[in-house]
Amino acid sequence: EAQVTQNPRYLITVTGKKLTVTCSQNMNHEYMSWYRQDPGLGLRQIYYSMNVEVTDKGDVPEGYKVSRKEKRNFPLILESPSPNQTSLYFCASSPIGVNTEAFFGQGTRLTVV
Amino acid sequence: GNSVTQMEGPVTLSEEAFLTINCTYTATGYPSLFWYVQYPGEGLQLLLKATKADDKGSNKGFEATYRKETTSFHLEKGSVQVSDSAVYFCALTRGTDKLIFGTGTRLQVFP
Repeated sequence: EAQVTQNPRYLITVTGKKLTVTCSQNMNHEYMSWYRQDPGLGLRQIYYSMNVEVTDKGDVPEGYKVSRKEKRNFPLILESPSPNQTSLYFCASSPIGVNTEAFFGQGTRLTVV
Repeated sequence: GNSVTQMEGPVTLSEEAFLTINCTYTATGYPSLFWYVQYPGEGLQLLLKATKADDKGSNKGFEATYRKETTSFHLEKGSVQVSDSAVYFCALTRGTDKLIFGTGTRLQVFP
């Protein structure tokens, strides 16, 4: 089954404790990205990657890191989480570019206390 | 810059009512336009899309027409069901970097 898998689905952590949210896709897509969803703001792009070892900032990259060492994986790293990073996070993948359908993971609800 | 504006929700309807969710956009050139749907507890999934002016996207009884003259891509359905209750996102892209989303419109359908 074609899918994008994120883990964990839910996470509560404390300020400053490094964490990683994993994202994996099994569709051999070149393009992957991370979004955060906040009430009244819709989805905003954090980082994206056009291919292995190629990453770039989206609209709200501050406080986040990503890596793309393999085509299928695109982890999101919060080196020192803060309460304003409490949000619902989505990973997405698509064939090159986004003029085609983007496939989304089920989301990770992160709470930073 | 490029942006998408959606009507605020929630939209509350009775089953079998007619649905319209308005979406307008600002973009240079000719963007591709999308509607994504998010069911409770799930990620977004593509509902329909249109890639050029006057195209009509349709799926599951929903449809939307790409209107360049009014820069709009309104979502419509003739008869909604309880199972259509979800959050609907209008989005655009002009290239290969990102989708730009509206803020989402929550639809609640009651029996």
